[in-house]
Amino acid sequence: DAKTTQPPSMDCAEGRAANLPCNHSTISGNEYVYWYRQIHSQGPQYIIHGLKNNETNEMASLIITEDRKSSTLILPHATLRDTAVYYCIVRVDTDKLIFGTGTRLQVFP
Amino acid sequence: SAVISQKPSRDICQRGTSLTIQCQVDSQVTMMFWYRQQPGQSLTLIATANQGSEATYESGFVIDKFPISRPNLTFSTLTVSNMSPEDSSIYLCSVVRWGNTEAFFGQGTRLTVV
Repeated sequence: DAKTTQPPSMDCAEGRAANLPCNHSTISGNEYVYWYRQIHSQGPQYIIHGLKNNETNEMASLIITEDRKSSTLILPHATLRDTAVYYCIVRVDTDKLIFGTGTRLQVFP
Repeated sequence: SAVISQKPSRDICQRGTSLTIQCQVDSQVTMMFWYRQQPGQSLTLIATANQGSEATYESGFVIDKFPISRPNLTFSTLTVSNMSPEDSSIYLCSVVRWGNTEAFFGQGTRLTVV
């Protein structure tokens, strides 16, 4: 079973920051937090991952709480093309990815 | 990222027949996985394809229904056997490259069983 909890859906205005929360209260010390997204009819796309420090790349920022029990994915300036289902996954190293139900983000004009 | 080619991209098959899906990667990878995504649902892991040995199946999936091969570090096949309409799904290949931890996905094979 998935070890994360995400809200089923969220809305965001274009140009605003989208903040997607994820709870992973049972995360183990060696498990990373990964974020993927799936745009309709495409394969999932890797976004970012982290262990305990905050991470940033060209797509997004990942904020992990100090106790590692929750995290937030931030898309700083959402566009219509960011409309997708976003999956938060906890995973050990190169182990398999187990997907939950994710958050359906709708970006509106 | 890895370049992953899945074939076919889509197919319509008769019930009772079998379909083999191919996953070809442009470089050697450590891990290869097969997923199923039923209509309107999230992804479900079918199995881990092991190079040169039998695949490791997740609960609810069996080798007789979903035989998997992985003859080398860049190629794997998934066969959906004795198909029924309930097998209509998108089947996706996922890989992890050497020296990396991120998993990358192919574009999937959209299967419709009639």
